[in-house]
Amino acid sequence: GQSLEQPSEVTAVEGAIVQINCTYQTSGFYGLSWYQQHDGGAPTFLSYNALDGLEETGRFSSFLSRSDSYGYLLLQELQMKDSASYFCAVRDGSGNTPLVFGKGTRLSVIA
Amino acid sequence: DTGVSQDPRHKITKRGQNVTFRCDPISEHNRLYWYRQTLGQGPEFLTYFQNEAQLEKSRLLSDRFSAERPKGSFSTLEIQRTEQGDSAMYLCASSPREYGYTFGSGTRLTVV
Repeated sequence: GQSLEQPSEVTAVEGAIVQINCTYQTSGFYGLSWYQQHDGGAPTFLSYNALDGLEETGRFSSFLSRSDSYGYLLLQELQMKDSASYFCAVRDGSGNTPLVFGKGTRLSVIA
Repeated sequence: DTGVSQDPRHKITKRGQNVTFRCDPISEHNRLYWYRQTLGQGPEFLTYFQNEAQLEKSRLLSDRFSAERPKGSFSTLEIQRTEQGDSAMYLCASSPREYGYTFGSGTRLTVV
């Protein structure tokens, strides 16, 4: 089976930088994804890391270390609209294996 | 491209009744997934289709749940003899590859 651990809540100030960590245990590993979900909304895809290193997309970056079974999502220049839940998700098999999601981290951005 | 559509948005049903939800994926996406989400939790996998073939079904899914994707287009999820524990948001997602799912807005089921 798989398990993912991420903090349940994080609070940060507008304009600051915040890092949301995710550690995982899987029998195999085929990539780490991040999704954002606003209250009452659908999860939306943010990033995908298959290989070690940092992927940057605008204000958001995602990092993966396969040897440490660890990744993080970095949000820079925080805005109030970034207040949402953030989920890490993994696939532990190739091809048809669906994503398994963590329980999510609720980010609150305060003024 | 109008995204992933789910119908209905909300459903209130009495315990013991059957309910059916519909999902219309993005037309170019051959992969379709059903997830269930309860408050404060991440999406929990239910079942997965590639085209019309149902390739995987969660062991957590009881025999009261069934899903179809005729002709590899839209999909339906049916819950028979609903129980209060079935109350949740049912999410559908589609994708053209193994990652980068596009989720619909979900169907919120309340069993009373």
